[in-house]
Amino acid sequence: NAGVTQTPKFQVLKTGQSMTLQCAQDMNHEYMSWYRQDPGMGLRLIHYSVGAGITDQGEVPNGYNVSRSTTEDFPLRLLSAAPSQTSVYFCASSYSYRERPYEQYFGPGTRLTVT
Amino acid sequence: AQTVTQSQPEMSVQEAETVTLSCTYDTSESNYYLFWYKQPPSRQMILVIRQEAYKQQNATENRFSVNFQKAAKSFSLKISDSQLGDTAMYFCAFMKHGLGNEKLTFGTGTRLTIIP
Repeated sequence: NAGVTQTPKFQVLKTGQSMTLQCAQDMNHEYMSWYRQDPGMGLRLIHYSVGAGITDQGEVPNGYNVSRSTTEDFPLRLLSAAPSQTSVYFCASSYSYRERPYEQYFGPGTRLTVT
Repeated sequence: AQTVTQSQPEMSVQEAETVTLSCTYDTSESNYYLFWYKQPPSRQMILVIRQEAYKQQNATENRFSVNFQKAAKSFSLKISDSQLGDTAMYFCAFMKHGLGNEKLTFGTGTRLTIIP
Protein backbone atom coordinates (compact mmCIF):
# COMPACT_ATOMS: atom_id res chain seq x y z
CA ASN A 1 0.00 0.00 0.00
CA ALA A 2 1.17 3.53 -0.79
CA GLY A 3 -0.82 4.87 2.19
CA VAL A 4 -1.77 8.54 1.93
CA THR A 5 -0.13 10.43 -0.92
CA GLN A 6 -0.12 14.17 -1.51
CA THR A 7 0.96 16.19 -4.52
CA PRO A 8 2.74 18.48 -4.97
CA LYS A 9 5.28 18.49 -2.12
CA PHE A 10 6.08 22.17 -2.64
CA GLN A 11 4.23 24.96 -4.44
CA VAL A 12 4.65 28.71 -4.85
CA LEU A 13 1.63 30.74 -5.95
CA LYS A 14 1.01 34.39 -6.65
CA THR A 15 -1.84 36.14 -4.87
CA GLY A 16 -5.10 35.51 -6.70
CA GLN A 17 -4.04 32.31 -8.41
CA SER A 18 -5.99 29.11 -7.94
CA MET A 19 -4.74 25.58 -7.48
CA THR A 20 -5.70 22.13 -6.26
CA LEU A 21 -3.80 20.11 -3.70
CA GLN A 22 -4.23 16.43 -4.40
CA CYS A 23 -4.73 13.73 -1.78
CA ALA A 24 -5.25 10.03 -2.38
CA GLN A 25 -5.36 6.94 -0.18
CA ASP A 26 -5.44 3.27 -1.11
CA MET A 27 -6.62 1.83 2.21
CA ASN A 28 -10.37 2.09 1.52
CA HIS A 29 -10.76 4.57 4.36
CA GLU A 30 -14.13 6.27 4.70
CA TYR A 31 -12.88 9.31 6.57
CA MET A 32 -10.54 11.88 5.02
CA SER A 33 -9.55 15.33 6.16
CA TRP A 34 -7.36 18.34 5.46
CA TYR A 35 -5.33 20.22 8.07
CA ARG A 36 -3.10 23.22 7.86
CA GLN A 37 -0.06 23.68 10.08
CA ASP A 38 1.19 27.14 10.95
CA PRO A 39 4.05 28.03 13.30
CA GLY A 40 2.91 28.18 16.90
CA MET A 41 -0.62 27.03 16.08
CA GLY A 42 -0.45 23.27 15.68
CA LEU A 43 -2.66 21.61 13.08
CA ARG A 44 -6.11 23.01 12.38
CA LEU A 45 -8.88 21.23 10.55
CA ILE A 46 -9.97 22.80 7.24
CA HIS A 47 -12.51 20.34 5.79
CA TYR A 48 -13.36 16.70 6.26
CA SER A 49 -15.39 13.94 4.64
CA VAL A 50 -17.02 10.88 6.15
CA GLY A 51 -17.54 9.21 2.78
CA ALA A 52 -17.91 9.77 -0.95
CA GLY A 53 -20.30 12.63 -1.64
CA ILE A 54 -20.25 13.90 1.96
CA THR A 55 -18.11 16.80 3.13
CA ASP A 56 -18.23 19.28 5.99
CA GLN A 57 -16.35 22.29 7.28
CA GLY A 58 -13.75 22.23 9.97
CA GLU A 59 -12.29 25.02 12.07
CA VAL A 60 -10.75 27.15 9.27
CA PRO A 61 -12.68 26.52 6.01
CA ASN A 62 -12.69 30.01 4.47
CA GLY A 63 -10.91 30.24 1.13
CA TYR A 64 -10.94 26.48 0.53
CA ASN A 65 -13.27 24.10 -1.29
CA VAL A 66 -13.43 20.33 -1.26
CA SER A 67 -15.37 17.57 -2.93
CA ARG A 68 -15.28 13.80 -2.59
CA SER A 69 -16.43 11.97 -5.69
CA THR A 70 -14.56 8.74 -4.89
CA THR A 71 -13.49 6.96 -1.71
CA GLU A 72 -9.82 7.29 -2.71
CA ASP A 73 -9.47 11.00 -3.53
CA PHE A 74 -10.07 14.17 -1.55
CA PRO A 75 -8.70 17.27 -3.35
CA LEU A 76 -8.42 20.66 -1.68
CA ARG A 77 -9.01 23.69 -3.89
CA LEU A 78 -7.75 27.20 -3.27
CA LEU A 79 -9.98 29.47 -5.32
CA SER A 80 -7.99 32.72 -5.04
CA ALA A 81 -4.78 32.29 -3.07
CA ALA A 82 -3.90 34.82 -0.37
CA PRO A 83 -0.65 35.26 1.59
CA SER A 84 -2.55 34.13 4.72
CA GLN A 85 -2.83 30.70 3.11
CA THR A 86 0.92 30.21 3.22
CA SER A 87 1.20 27.05 5.29
CA VAL A 88 1.95 23.36 5.33
CA TYR A 89 -1.07 21.27 4.37
CA PHE A 90 -1.66 17.73 5.56
CA CYS A 91 -4.18 15.23 4.34
CA ALA A 92 -5.23 12.42 6.68
CA SER A 93 -7.45 9.37 6.42
CA SER A 94 -8.86 6.73 8.72
CA TYR A 95 -11.47 4.06 9.03
CA SER A 96 -14.76 5.31 10.32
CA TYR A 97 -15.69 4.95 13.94
CA ARG A 98 -17.61 1.82 13.08
CA GLU A 99 -14.30 0.01 12.64
CA ARG A 100 -11.17 1.52 14.19
CA PRO A 101 -11.76 5.14 15.10
CA TYR A 102 -8.27 6.16 16.00
CA GLU A 103 -5.93 4.95 13.25
CA GLN A 104 -5.35 8.27 11.48
CA TYR A 105 -2.84 8.10 8.67
CA PHE A 106 -1.19 11.31 7.50
CA GLY A 107 0.27 12.19 4.14
CA PRO A 108 3.75 13.75 3.83
CA GLY A 109 2.42 17.30 3.56
CA THR A 110 2.49 20.09 0.97
CA ARG A 111 4.39 23.28 1.69
CA LEU A 112 2.54 26.16 0.02
CA THR A 113 3.89 29.70 -0.26
CA VAL A 114 1.70 32.52 -1.55
CA THR A 115 3.55 35.68 -2.58
CA ALA B 1 -15.75 22.95 21.55
CA GLN B 2 -12.67 21.16 22.73
CA THR B 3 -9.34 22.85 23.40
CA VAL B 4 -5.91 21.32 23.90
CA THR B 5 -3.11 23.20 25.61
CA GLN B 6 0.60 22.43 25.55
CA SER B 7 2.33 24.95 27.79
CA GLN B 8 5.94 23.99 26.99
CA PRO B 9 6.90 25.38 23.56
CA GLU B 10 10.42 23.93 23.80
CA MET B 11 12.27 21.40 25.91
CA SER B 12 15.68 19.81 25.82
CA VAL B 13 17.17 16.86 27.66
CA GLN B 14 20.38 14.86 27.64
CA GLU B 15 20.41 11.58 25.78
CA ALA B 16 19.37 8.60 27.96
CA GLU B 17 17.48 10.81 30.41
CA THR B 18 13.74 10.83 31.00
CA VAL B 19 11.55 13.72 29.89
CA THR B 20 7.88 14.51 30.45
CA LEU B 21 5.78 16.62 28.08
CA SER B 22 2.63 18.23 29.44
CA CYS B 23 -0.82 18.46 27.90
CA THR B 24 -4.12 19.65 29.31
CA TYR B 25 -7.46 19.72 27.58
CA ASP B 26 -10.92 21.05 28.10
CA THR B 27 -14.06 19.17 27.14
CA SER B 28 -17.56 18.47 28.37
CA GLU B 29 -17.47 14.99 26.84
CA SER B 30 -17.20 11.96 29.09
CA ASN B 31 -15.84 9.58 26.49
CA TYR B 32 -13.06 10.45 24.08
CA TYR B 33 -9.57 9.56 22.84
CA LEU B 34 -6.27 11.30 23.45
CA PHE B 35 -3.16 11.00 21.33
CA TRP B 36 0.45 12.02 21.15
CA TYR B 37 1.88 12.56 17.66
CA LYS B 38 5.53 13.01 16.79
CA GLN B 39 6.68 15.18 13.89
CA PRO B 40 10.39 14.80 13.12
CA PRO B 41 12.23 17.16 10.75
CA SER B 42 10.95 15.04 7.86
CA ARG B 43 7.53 16.60 8.60
CA GLN B 44 5.76 13.22 8.68
CA MET B 45 3.13 12.91 11.43
CA ILE B 46 3.67 9.71 13.42
CA LEU B 47 1.30 8.36 16.05
CA VAL B 48 3.24 7.70 19.26
CA ILE B 49 0.57 6.58 21.70
CA ARG B 50 -3.17 6.75 22.29
CA GLN B 51 -5.40 6.61 25.35
CA GLU B 52 -9.10 5.83 25.55
CA ALA B 53 -10.74 7.92 28.23
CA TYR B 54 -12.87 5.10 29.59
CA LYS B 55 -9.76 3.04 30.36
CA GLN B 56 -8.21 3.83 33.72
CA GLN B 57 -4.93 2.12 32.91
CA ASN B 58 -2.28 4.39 31.44
CA ALA B 59 -1.15 3.45 27.93
CA THR B 60 2.45 2.41 27.28
CA GLU B 61 4.38 1.78 24.08
CA ASN B 62 7.96 0.67 24.72
CA ARG B 63 9.82 3.77 26.03
CA PHE B 64 6.72 5.96 25.81
CA SER B 65 4.06 6.11 28.49
CA VAL B 66 1.33 8.50 29.50
CA ASN B 67 -0.03 9.80 32.77
CA PHE B 68 -3.74 10.24 32.16
CA GLN B 69 -5.60 12.15 34.87
CA LYS B 70 -9.21 12.35 33.70
CA ALA B 71 -10.54 14.48 36.53
CA ALA B 72 -7.73 16.98 36.08
CA LYS B 73 -8.01 16.76 32.27
CA SER B 74 -4.30 16.16 32.02
CA PHE B 75 -2.46 13.87 29.60
CA SER B 76 1.34 13.97 29.87
CA LEU B 77 3.82 11.95 27.82
CA LYS B 78 6.89 10.41 29.43
CA ILE B 79 9.82 9.38 27.26
CA SER B 80 12.28 7.11 29.04
CA ASP B 81 15.89 6.50 27.99
CA SER B 82 15.62 9.29 25.44
CA GLN B 83 17.38 8.82 22.11
CA LEU B 84 18.63 11.24 19.47
CA GLY B 85 15.86 10.02 17.16
CA ASP B 86 13.29 11.35 19.64
CA THR B 87 14.19 14.90 18.60
CA ALA B 88 10.95 16.21 17.08
CA MET B 89 7.83 18.30 17.57
CA TYR B 90 5.30 16.52 19.75
CA PHE B 91 1.59 17.25 19.47
CA CYS B 92 -1.14 16.29 21.88
CA ALA B 93 -4.53 15.70 20.23
CA PHE B 94 -8.13 15.03 21.22
CA MET B 95 -10.89 13.13 19.45
CA LYS B 96 -14.50 12.84 20.54
CA HIS B 97 -16.06 9.42 20.77
CA GLY B 98 -18.62 8.24 18.25
CA LEU B 99 -19.38 7.96 14.56
CA GLY B 100 -18.73 11.17 12.66
CA ASN B 101 -16.29 12.42 15.31
CA GLU B 102 -13.10 11.18 13.70
CA LYS B 103 -11.57 14.68 13.48
CA LEU B 104 -8.67 15.67 15.71
CA THR B 105 -8.12 18.81 17.78
CA PHE B 106 -4.42 19.50 18.25
CA GLY B 107 -2.37 21.43 20.75
CA THR B 108 0.28 23.89 19.61
CA GLY B 109 3.13 21.43 20.09
CA THR B 110 6.33 21.05 22.09
CA ARG B 111 9.68 21.07 20.31
CA LEU B 112 11.87 18.45 22.00
CA THR B 113 15.63 18.36 21.48
CA ILE B 114 17.72 15.42 22.68
CA ILE B 115 21.27 16.55 23.39
CA PRO B 116 24.08 14.06 22.71
